[in-house]
Amino acid sequence: AAGVIQSPRHLIKEKRETATLKCYPIPRHDTVYWYQQGPGQDPQFLISFYEKMQSDKGSIPDRFSAQQFSDYHSELNMSSLELGDSALYFCASSFSGPPYEQYFGPGTRLTVT
Amino acid sequence: DAKTTQPNSMESNEEEPVHLPCNHSTISGTDYIHWYRQLPSQGPEYVIHGLTSNVNNRMASLAIAEDRKSSTLILHRATLRDAAVYYCILLNTGNQFYFGTGTSLTVIP
Repeated sequence: AAGVIQSPRHLIKEKRETATLKCYPIPRHDTVYWYQQGPGQDPQFLISFYEKMQSDKGSIPDRFSAQQFSDYHSELNMSSLELGDSALYFCASSFSGPPYEQYFGPGTRLTVT
Repeated sequence: DAKTTQPNSMESNEEEPVHLPCNHSTISGTDYIHWYRQLPSQGPEYVIHGLTSNVNNRMASLAIAEDRKSSTLILHRATLRDAAVYYCILLNTGNQFYFGTGTSLTVIP
């Protein structure tokens, strides 16, 4: 079965640079979520989209933005990168109805030097 | 957001059953109980979910207390591949997960 695809899998950037992470949800899923997981920490919710509209917002810094496109893929844009942005970034997708289970991608490991 | 409480860590011998508890005393009537697990450097993986009745699937069983204030994830025969952090999560809308701290399961050969 098709899974959530994330690209790139690894990304190295320098401080103050920008980064764009991409997520391709499972076909026919209408909701996409972004999570950030720092070293040794639990995943933290950043933002979600339902039918291409932002549906919920968590602890996403103002330097980050995201959108969902007409083909349902989503991109997380990160600007003015800081060392503390180094983390695993997961994308998940789901149907909007119950029981709401989310399917996660393999993640993008971002390293900021 | 409803909260869950899980032990920080548990150990199990290989090929023995494992019972992972979760308390969710503030659960609402429409909350689904989900369990996910995360292996090192991998994305969280769906394990099982339930609403009121006990559930079984190929990965595990979920036992839900009659008052729904607690649940237990049961791995019938732990293998080394089951070593992971297990998260108990409550959902009643298609919104964000609050992962909490989860239970780190160690499987001893």
